[in-house]
Amino acid sequence: DVKVTQSSRYLVKRTGEKVFLECVQDMDHENMFWYRQDPGLGLRLIYFSYDVKMKEKGDIPEGYSVSREKKERFSLILESASTNQTSMYLCASSLYLQGRDNEQYFGPGTRLTVT
Amino acid sequence: KQEVTQIPAALSVPEGENLVLNCSFTDSAIYNLQWFRQDPGKGLTSLLLIQSSQREQTSGRLNASLDKSSGRSTLYIAASQPGDSATYLCAADYGQNFVFGPGTRLSVLP
Repeated sequence: DVKVTQSSRYLVKRTGEKVFLECVQDMDHENMFWYRQDPGLGLRLIYFSYDVKMKEKGDIPEGYSVSREKKERFSLILESASTNQTSMYLCASSLYLQGRDNEQYFGPGTRLTVT
Repeated sequence: KQEVTQIPAALSVPEGENLVLNCSFTDSAIYNLQWFRQDPGKGLTSLLLIQSSQREQTSGRLNASLDKSSGRSTLYIAASQPGDSATYLCAADYGQNFVFGPGTRLSVLP
């Protein structure tokens, strides 16, 4: 079974702090994604990566950056956390883009609260 | 703009009923259509993936169909159980972009 893990289930940070969210997948997937999920807005793509050290902006990249130094690990960084970044953050991975078996697998999510 | 909608937004049924959840997408140039289940406060669990060349996929009591030309997919749940209560989301795979629907919140009453 594919397993996607996220470093924390719940996180509370203060405004202005630098926040790191870590995601690890164990199936040698090419692609990794970061989403945020908010009531009434659904899932929105922040960034994705299709290879080590490669990244692409999603729909809402402002205020975020990412890092992918190893294939299995994809980090989301909030450079200076703000209250409007309070949300559920979901990491996902898939085998390859534009592929027939591009099934996405999700981690359990990190509920981030910025006070 | 690529958009995905789901109808109904919420559904409450008695245990044992068969039910249908609907998903519509505006751009039919999809590679795949994937259905997920999400329990409150949890991540998404993949249920079924239908490739663009397929018409349907089945897993246990779940059957998903895809009509790419009309931009529609349906998820059929047979003999619903209280354990099926969750939010069901569909997602259209456009290659470098997955577009998610807002979900249907399902409650199955004992």
